[in-house]
Amino acid sequence: DAGITQSPRHKVTETGTPVTLRCHQTENHRYMYWYRQDPGHGLRLIHYSYGVKDTDKGEVSDGYSVSRSKTEDFLLTLESATSSQTSVYFCAISDRAQPQHFGDGTRLSIL
Amino acid sequence: GDSVTQMEGPVTLSEEAFLTINCTYTATGYPSLFWYVQYPGEGLQLLLKATKADDKGSNKGFEATYRKETTSFHLEKGSVQVSDSAVYFCARLSGGFKTIFGAGTRLFVKA
Repeated sequence: DAGITQSPRHKVTETGTPVTLRCHQTENHRYMYWYRQDPGHGLRLIHYSYGVKDTDKGEVSDGYSVSRSKTEDFLLTLESATSSQTSVYFCAISDRAQPQHFGDGTRLSIL
Repeated sequence: GDSVTQMEGPVTLSEEAFLTINCTYTATGYPSLFWYVQYPGEGLQLLLKATKADDKGSNKGFEATYRKETTSFHLEKGSVQVSDSAVYFCARLSGGFKTIFGAGTRLFVKA
């Protein structure tokens, strides 16, 4: 399995609090991605990175920010969590023209 | 834009039945095509891939053939097992590094 670790695996927090999810890879892949998965919506891309300090928005980026200060780490931050951001979040990694490999996900509940 | 359409589920089969999950993609260029599988509580795992027309990807008894003429990449397995119960996602490469996913098809296999 590709070396991808997401942390935390589960989190419960309150509306209005900041939340940061971490994705760590040991594969030295250039590209990293954050998705959310919700019933009826499939997988939706939030943000992606194509190198250190190089990031761009996906289709559902409102309310989320990301940072990539090292090749191996990609952080997703919810500045002020809302109940609509309750979801399962997946990190993925890839090299160019190669399939993505996924982490095991973070289940986030915002009350 | 690029898209992937796969048959809606759920699909319910008895053990040892033949499985087909249909998938079609938009034909911009000749993208690499993938099938992923997601077991409960886990991330997506790459099941098989095909990178050019007429390629056949195969793994764990599953097969899919890249059909340029019909822009299709249908997933098949000759004899399903209870352990194959999962959600299956068809996907295509887009823009050199992004992946466009279908909505997913849930498969239930009864003993």
